[in-house]
Amino acid sequence: KQEVTQIPAALSVPEGENLVLNCSFTDSAIYNLQWFRQDPGKGLTSLLLIQSSQREQTSGRLNASLDKSSGRSTLYIAASQPGDSATYLCAVSPYNTDKLIFGTGTRLQVFP
Amino acid sequence: GAVVSQHPSRVICKSGTSVKIECRSLDFQATTMFWYRQFPKQSLMLMATSNEGSKATYEQGVEKDKFLINHASLTLSTLTVTSAHPEDSSFYICSALWASYGYTFGSGTRLTVV
Repeated sequence: KQEVTQIPAALSVPEGENLVLNCSFTDSAIYNLQWFRQDPGKGLTSLLLIQSSQREQTSGRLNASLDKSSGRSTLYIAASQPGDSATYLCAVSPYNTDKLIFGTGTRLQVFP
Repeated sequence: GAVVSQHPSRVICKSGTSVKIECRSLDFQATTMFWYRQFPKQSLMLMATSNEGSKATYEQGVEKDKFLINHASLTLSTLTVTSAHPEDSSFYICSALWASYGYTFGSGTRLTVV
């Protein structure tokens, strides 16, 4: 059974810091991995999608990497801002299914 | 881009009553929709996968008679929480899968059973 874990569970940093959020998964048989952002009481916004054949994806200040063989992904946030405060979720899409299996999430707070 | 509209955003109901939550894909046809449940400060737990015109597939441990899912058209899926109890209070989120765009999520429904 696929299990997805995120470390740290919570993070509080001053504005301007560069951050690394970690995601690990137990079964490497995946189509892709996605990172999402969730604001309190809201739905999810997709940030980055990495196909299983890719190593990384970048969007603005965000960079996500994928090492499928070791079951790991990292989300790098450069020059963090208070507006980045949210919960970040990674999710994997296993082979032979349309499901998304979500990680445990990292609650990020960036203070001015 | 693809948009999924979920209603209501908040609902309070009395214990023993039923509540229906709607999830609509506004500008695309979603052959597959997913329903998730999220407890405070926890991740999303997949409840069921619904395919248009067929019965939903429920995850292990989810009561299909408790959480009725209907996917009658390519743009609408509904989740009905039957005979709701306080322990059903949670945040429910739907998601639609569109081959061209991937997964799009609704804004969620906060259910409170009193």
